Amino acid sequence: DAGVIQSPRHEVTEMGQEVTLRCKPISGHDYLFWYRQTMMRGLELLIYFNNNVPIDDSGMPEDRFSAKMPNASFSTLKIQPSEPRDSAVYFCASSEGRDISDTQYFGPGTRLTVL
Amino acid sequence: KNQVEQSPQSLIILEGKNCTLQCNYTVSPFSNLRWYKQDTGRGPVSLTIMTFSENTKSNGRYTATLDADTKQSSLHITASQLSDSASYICVVRKLQGTALIFGKGTTLSVSS
Repeated sequence: DAGVIQSPRHEVTEMGQEVTLRCKPISGHDYLFWYRQTMMRGLELLIYFNNNVPIDDSGMPEDRFSAKMPNASFSTLKIQPSEPRDSAVYFCASSEGRDISDTQYFGPGTRLTVL
Repeated sequence: KNQVEQSPQSLIILEGKNCTLQCNYTVSPFSNLRWYKQDTGRGPVSLTIMTFSENTKSNGRYTATLDADTKQSSLHITASQLSDSASYICVVRKLQGTALIFGKGTTLSVSS
């Protein structure tokens, strides 16, 4: 398996623009997670899905952030409008377990820079 | 407030030396604790997970310990290698609910 795939790997955009990050989880994994990582705050769980259904979105910082999982092989994280403070590395992870603490496999991340 | 604190923030050691990273948590009730290794520019990779009843668990040159009474965990790296240079992140799972609490990590640099 190719592992978790994320695109794009790097994104530079201007403040106010819409940004869409994409993730393809490992086939057969029932859980999908979106994280944000910054130097100041470390890794933060934004939202996670189980069988394509959002379970906990309490980590989503604002209404500007939204995530969808239309099918088992694809998820998006959208920021609209983007702001400079959204600059971070965004990771997608997936796991096959019955619990969110089961081993998660992370993608390579998308480095977002908002100017 | 549920927190996970890691120390030191950064560490530099010589190749071949041992080191110990610390993770203290206040999460309660506690379910399990996991250590991740994150190489620069990559996503984290799980090293080990420990449940309430486990005291020690090894994964090659990595040994994790857990003291659930004092709410402390450590990650000991034996005979360090240059490839051990990375950030090490401690993550604690609450027993109830869906919360995963992340530490900010320890950045380890192994030099030759």
